[in-house]
Amino acid sequence: GENVEQHPSTLSVQEGDSAVIKCTYSDSASNYFPWYKQELGKGPQLIIDIRSNVGEKKDQRIAVTLNKTAKHFSLHITETQPEDSAVYFCAASYGDKLIFGTGTRLQVFP
Amino acid sequence: ETGVTQTPRHLVMGMTNKKSLKCEQHLGHNAMYWYKQSAKKPLELMFVYNFKEQTENNSVPSRFSPECPNSSHLFLHLHTLQPEDSALYLCASSQISGTANTEAFFGQGTRLTVV
Repeated sequence: GENVEQHPSTLSVQEGDSAVIKCTYSDSASNYFPWYKQELGKGPQLIIDIRSNVGEKKDQRIAVTLNKTAKHFSLHITETQPEDSAVYFCAASYGDKLIFGTGTRLQVFP
Repeated sequence: ETGVTQTPRHLVMGMTNKKSLKCEQHLGHNAMYWYKQSAKKPLELMFVYNFKEQTENNSVPSRFSPECPNSSHLFLHLHTLQPEDSALYLCASSQISGTANTEAFFGQGTRLTVV
């Protein structure tokens, strides 16, 4: 069935360190993989996305990699800052819908 | 401001009440979604509307009844809810073209408490 697994569920890092969050998906037909950041009291907001015809995408301190063969994709945040603290969700497309992972609570300590 | 507005932001209702959640998008998108977010199952897809037609009902109990009168508005009618239905209900919209998805924009959500 449609499934997205996300790890770890919580992640604590020191300011300036890197953070990596990993996801796997089940349907080889999935072709769109967004990452969302959710701050307290707000809805999720897109921070970066990648399509199946690309292996890697970078936007300043944030990068996403996709391995279609293994059905893995990962979020990399470098030089973390306290304002990066939030819950991060990966998602994979299934037809006209997005299925989300279970979320990673990232805490960046000053 | 994401272009997706949900009202109310907070709602407390008894188990015998009838209430409705409202979502409006100003982005010209053709697809709208209801998600339920709780501690046990974050971001659980409930309903999908594509060009006002419901294309997904993810085994949601009939006490939740969606309505999509046009591509800009989406409602979730609530009736005879249970305490375990307490959660954050998120609305989202996106532009679907064939099999290509685009970014889903989320509203701020309605925090629902059933007492």
